[in-house]
Amino acid sequence: AQSVTQLDSQVPVFEEAPVELRCNYSSSVSVYLFWYVQYPNQGLQLLLKYLSGSTLVESINGFEAEFNKSQTSFHLRKPSVHISDTAEYFCAVSSGGSNYKLTFGKGTLLTVNP
Amino acid sequence: DTGVSQNPRHKITKRGQNVTFRCDPISEHNRLYWYRQTLGQGPEFLTYFQNEAQLEKSRLLSDRFSAERPKGSFSTLEIQRTEQGDSAMYLCASTSQGGTEAFFGQGTRLTVV
Repeated sequence: AQSVTQLDSQVPVFEEAPVELRCNYSSSVSVYLFWYVQYPNQGLQLLLKYLSGSTLVESINGFEAEFNKSQTSFHLRKPSVHISDTAEYFCAVSSGGSNYKLTFGKGTLLTVNP
Repeated sequence: DTGVSQNPRHKITKRGQNVTFRCDPISEHNRLYWYRQTLGQGPEFLTYFQNEAQLEKSRLLSDRFSAERPKGSFSTLEIQRTEQGDSAMYLCASTSQGGTEAFFGQGTRLTVV
């Protein structure tokens, strides 16, 4: 069985400040790792993913996440946030194979204040 | 292509009634998933189709729930004899064969009163 723990349910920050959203997972098999973002009144959108290779992955809008196998973590970071980054962020894992079903964390609400 | 489409977006029903939701995946995607999201929680896996075959069902999917994908294209999720605990957002997602990114619809929000 797999599980995902997002340690912070809410993270308020000021605009242009750095942010880190924490994610830890547990799994008995190798996993693929994902961050999804949900803007108000919209569906889930993939932000970035780790499948293999370089442990540091980046999104097009300045977010990055680093896969740390020894700490079973996949924390999401951004050096300078914008008000438009206000959204709920979900970390998810998949064991891949023929299914690719996702196990999600409970989400972290990032609120960027002016 | 406009992505994954779900209908209706909102549904209010009385306890005990049956409801049916529809999901139209991205046209070339052969894998389709249903998830349920309750307030303060992340989405939870319900069931998975590859083409028309339902290959996995979660224990969350009680016998009041049934999902179909008759022609390997759109899918329906039916809930019989709805209960207040069924109130949730029901999400549909699809992926292509070999794809690793799940594309989600905007969901159907069910409220059972």
